[in-house]
Amino acid sequence: DQQVKQNSPSLSVQEGRISILNCDYTNSMFDYFLWYKKYPAEGPTFLISISSIKDKNEDGRFTVFLNKSAKHLSLHIVPSQPGDSAVYFCAASYGAGGTSYGKLTFGQGTILTVHP
Amino acid sequence: DVKVTQSSRYLVKRTGEKVFLECVQDMDHENMFWYRQDPGLGLRLIYFSYDVKMKEKGDIPEGYSVSREKKERFSLILESASTNQTSMYLCASTNPAGRSNTGELFFGEGSRLTVL
Repeated sequence: DQQVKQNSPSLSVQEGRISILNCDYTNSMFDYFLWYKKYPAEGPTFLISISSIKDKNEDGRFTVFLNKSAKHLSLHIVPSQPGDSAVYFCAASYGAGGTSYGKLTFGQGTILTVHP
Repeated sequence: DVKVTQSSRYLVKRTGEKVFLECVQDMDHENMFWYRQDPGLGLRLIYFSYDVKMKEKGDIPEGYSVSREKKERFSLILESASTNQTSMYLCASTNPAGRSNTGELFFGEGSRLTVL
């Protein structure tokens, strides 16, 4: 049972345009959401996160939007750059305190290609 | 700079062999994790540990065991490797809430295991 889903395996965007990556979740207990970026032959690196008490978080070119009623979040990259080409993983967690902290449930990933 | 180091980047083993994957972190993190990454499935949690000698099963622990004898080191063991354990294995670490506020995991570069 996939609790976090990224339904688009891939996305192709022109340099300078907006990239929108989507993520849906089913477990209403999730209260913290993160996006990770992964280049080939490297480990994932943290990109941006959002708590369930917020609906938007922005960091430079990256903005994450959370719609709790729809159990949906999205990552916007504006403007997109060729160096953004990577696999993007959405992840979710709950129970931020205590020993379970850091136990994330990941989506399948979306391959983003930004063309020059 | 924070660092999670996985001992082997690439391994090739035969069915039935015992396999050790080692992970060391230098950030004095309390929580450590082993994930595997497979195309179309994203990252799935195998085991995690929140303290020395403590471990908890993740979502797919079958066929794996772990060892945490020292705080900085977390080992994944495949007692008898099988072809369906061919995968990318990722180690990660973090601290409990309150000490690392972003909730992010720090990942190693991964170990690509092929079981023939």
